[in-house]
Parts: sequence; C-alpha cells; structure tokens
Amino acid sequence: QQPVQSPQAVILREGEDAVINCSSSKALYSVHWYRQKHGEAPVFLMILLKGGEQKGHEKISASFNEKKQQSSLYLTASQLSYSGTYFCGTEIFTGNQFYFGTGTSLTVIP
Amino acid sequence: DAEITQSPRHKITETGRQVTLACHQTWNHNNMFWYRQDLGHGLRLIHYSYGVQDTNKGEVSDGYSVSRSNTEDLPLTLESAASSQTSVYFCASSESRYNEQFFGPGTRLTVL
Repeated sequence: QQPVQSPQAVILREGEDAVINCSSSKALYSVHWYRQKHGEAPVFLMILLKGGEQKGHEKISASFNEKKQQSSLYLTASQLSYSGTYFCGTEIFTGNQFYFGTGTSLTVIP
Repeated sequence: DAEITQSPRHKITETGRQVTLACHQTWNHNNMFWYRQDLGHGLRLIHYSYGVQDTNKGEVSDGYSVSRSNTEDLPLTLESAASSQTSVYFCASSESRYNEQFFGPGTRLTVL
C-alpha cells in the first residue's frame, strides 16, 4: 500500500530543476506532499485531490494523474532552502488509510 | 496561536514497560494521527481517529493502542515496550481528509 517514490536521492546545484515521482498500486483519492528538514517535523507543501489537477506554489508545483495513480513534484530553479527529504502521502479510496512514501532526499549545493 | 504539542520529547524506557506518549492540539481538528518514522521506512501510520470515541488501526498498529475522549488529545500507549518500537513518533492533526496534516515536533523513544 505504501507508495513508491523515485529517485531515492538527488543532488542539485543551485538553480537546477528536479522532479520527484510518487506512484501507487491502488486507486488514489488524494496526494499530499511534505518536506522534512533533518531533526524537524514534516511540513506541508500541497495537496492534490482526484481530478487530475495541478497545483503550484512559487517555484514548487505538482501534478496528479489519477488514471496512472501517480503524482510528480516539480522544483524549479532550486534554492539551498529546498534541501530536505520530500515525502508523498496518499489516501487510497478503500479503507480511508493514509500512506507515506519512503521519501526522496534532496540536497542543493552552491 | 493554535498548535500541536507532544510530550515527552525524549524518552528512554525498558523492555516490557508500559509507555504513554501524549499529543495535544488546539486547532479543534477532528482528525488526529500517530506515525512512527524509521530510517528506510519513512512515516508509517500506527493509529488514527476521525473524531471523539473514534479510533482506527493503521498499517503498524500491533503493540500500540489509542483512545480519544476529547477533541484535543490522542495519547498513544505502548502496552509492553519492545526494542523494535525504538523510533521517532509523530502526531498529526487535520481539519478533514481534504486538508493538510499539521505535525507535532516528535518524540524520540528508545527502548532498552
């Protein structure tokens, strides 16, 4: 039930772009994205509900393809502050449970 | 300001002891969640509640229990602590399934 994230880790230079993918084997009701800095709690980035929507927040955006049960997080012109571990969280249609992926470690270097 | 707090922040206990981790939120959220975070596994759902007197088992509920007697609190109890339960525990709350989850600062639990 746990969604699969890819890549597991990525290193970027400031200004470069990155894409993080989240894929589920179950039909999804919603997808959440969170970022966690080392030693801190996860912080919400955005939520996408069924309907194949796309959302954006400054230079971070995401898409949700409910037919493929996939979501992607797009980080453009990365900044040092983007470093952290990114988690997707998924709510499947049956059971009302919430599952987080194993995370993608993103490191932005000068 | 509304917030979500966890206590204690750090706890060391011995195998076989009962341990209770507290979670308190002041947003008046209906939904509350308990997760554990371990290296390589991400965040895994232990128990969740969608309202007072409502509790549900999550993915890794064995050895844990919760009760919800009011809106603000969802304590997590380890009935008989095991070394495999050494982890960082996060509590979270949300207004509804359509809304973001707000996470508490976490509790680092070590079972010796």
